[in-house]
Amino acid sequence: SQTIHQWPATLVQPVGSPLSLECTVEGTSNPNLYWYRQAAGRGLQLLFYSVGIGQISSEVPQNLSASRPQDRQFILSSKKLLLSDSGFYLCAWETGTSVRNEQFFGPGTRLTVL
Amino acid sequence: RKEVEQDPGPFNVPEGATVAFNCTYSNSASQSFFWYRQDCRKEPKLLMSVYSSGNEDGRFTAQLNRASQYISLLIRDSKLSDSATYLCVVNRGSTLGRLYFGRGTQLTVWP
Repeated sequence: SQTIHQWPATLVQPVGSPLSLECTVEGTSNPNLYWYRQAAGRGLQLLFYSVGIGQISSEVPQNLSASRPQDRQFILSSKKLLLSDSGFYLCAWETGTSVRNEQFFGPGTRLTVL
Repeated sequence: RKEVEQDPGPFNVPEGATVAFNCTYSNSASQSFFWYRQDCRKEPKLLMSVYSSGNEDGRFTAQLNRASQYISLLIRDSKLSDSATYLCVVNRGSTLGRLYFGRGTQLTVWP
């Protein structure tokens, strides 16, 4: 069966510090991968998605970036964090090419920027 | 207009009650519809996919009205464990896998 991992689970970082969040998927090949952010009391915002190694599409211009160095690995980064980057970061995967496919979420990383 | 709109609630119901949530979406090209459940400080988990005119899974029934761009979720015989936030999710039509999420409807079931 497929599983998705994210780490770290929680993170407290000062403003201006760098960020690296990792997501890995097991039990599937060539998944579509997604990074979302959920701010307190708000809905999920799509940040990046990837349909393959090295292929990244950005939804919202910001100080974050994403990379996909391996088929089942997706990384979210920042060179300098802002207070507004605080939130719950969720990685999701989806298989196949049908528009009907469901997305499945990892456990998330809760980031607090101070 | 937001892509997906839901009544945020909260809905507070006793055990055994029947409760219904509504959701409207703005993109007429949307083809896939889902309900996710999110517990406090946890990730969203897929509850149901919604197909054609609707479907049922145990105590849960989802309905889709494409003409009105409206989706509903009915929960019968509510359990304490049903307490969560329910997210209405709609895809963007032709754009592969990209989803619009509603802000969620909060449900509390009390004993």
